[in-house]
Order: sequence, then structure tokens, then C-alpha cells
Amino acid sequence: KAGVTQTPRYLIKTRGQQVTLSCSPISGHRSVSWYQQTPGQGLQFLFEYFSETQRNKGNFPGRFSGRQFSNSRSEMNVSTLELGDSALYLCATSKTSASSTDTQYFGPGTRLTVL
Amino acid sequence: DQQVKQNSPSLSVQEGRISILNCDYTNSMFDYFLWYKKYPAEGPTFLISISSIKDKNEDGRFTVFLNKSAKHLSLHIVPSQPGDSAVYFCAASAQFTGNQFYFGTGTSLTVIP
Repeated sequence: KAGVTQTPRYLIKTRGQQVTLSCSPISGHRSVSWYQQTPGQGLQFLFEYFSETQRNKGNFPGRFSGRQFSNSRSEMNVSTLELGDSALYLCATSKTSASSTDTQYFGPGTRLTVL
Repeated sequence: DQQVKQNSPSLSVQEGRISILNCDYTNSMFDYFLWYKKYPAEGPTFLISISSIKDKNEDGRFTVFLNKSAKHLSLHIVPSQPGDSAVYFCAASAQFTGNQFYFGTGTSLTVIP
């Protein structure tokens, strides 16, 4: 079956701009989580969406937001970009959000560079 | 505040030998632990997991050990193969607080042929 897809794969923006990233989950997966990966911090949890509702949120400023559509596809938006937002943004999907033992499947990520 | 730590950024091992990757955590509420493997330009892929009710879980060449009193887990790969060269992340969660995982910073494993 098709895996998790993320678009675009690479993105270059300048400070102050905004960006929208997209994640399409595996068919049947209703939970989508977003992570930011930077060299010194590893994977940092941004937020999780399940059935179009934000279920969990990590410790990131309000410039980071997201949403989920009825087909479970999710978008992440970052407004007023800063240099420190340069990172690999990964989404991970799973069938349910009810159990933390549910395996998450990651997409290949979107590499965002802010100049 | 890094609740999951991987203190070794890199590790090199000869092919055929054992690779041991370590991970420490600080939150005693964590009760579910996973290891992911990541190749360049790909997302992490699930490798193996362990629940806090166990102290060992084995899957082929991969074994994860959990020492709850020390808040420490380790991943053993025996025998190591060149294809195992990747970045390994450990992750932890507290099952009753929801589906949020805390990840370590990763250990880059190089298996030398």
C-alpha cells in the first residue's frame, strides 16, 4: 500500500514569509502528527490531529498551526518565518490516536530552508 | 527540556560484531519505548518496541533491553551488517497521557565492512 506522502519535499523561503506543508496519510490512518527535526534537538513534537481535531500540542509558538481535512490529509502552516525554523518537518500517521502503542509511519519529510 | 537522551551522537562497529545503542530518559511516567531507524532522505521507520512490563524484546537480530530503575534502554544489533548503517532514534511515551512521543537526538551508526 502507498506510504505517507509529504509535499513539497524541499522549500526555500525568506524571513517573514509564511509556508504551508502537506501530509497525506496511509489509507485508513486517521491520526497525523507533525515533528520538527533539527541537528541539535532531534525530533520535536509539534501537534497531532485526529478526526479533524487537534488532540495534542507540543511546546511551539503560535506561528505554527495545522489542520486536518475530512480525508485525513493534514497541512501545517508556519507564519512569519524565522531563520531558526529551518529544519526537516516530518509527519507521522497511525490508524488511531487512542493508544500510544499504535505504530506511527513517517513520511520522507519536507526540508525547509529559511534565508 | 530533553526527556529522552542519546548521549552518543555516533558509533562505528565492524561488520559481524555487536552494535549497542543507548538511550536514557528522565520521565518515570514513560511506559512505552520504541526504536526507529532513519536513512538519509527518508523518514524514520519503526524498528522495535518494548512495554514497561517487559525488560527485553527480541526481533531477529534486534533486541531492546529496558532497565526501569536506571531509566535506561538499549538496542543491540547482532550481528551488525553494513545495511544497518543509519541514524537510530529512541522514543518514549506515557500511554495514559496520549499519543505523544518524545524522541532522542539520534545516534549515527556506521557498520564497517
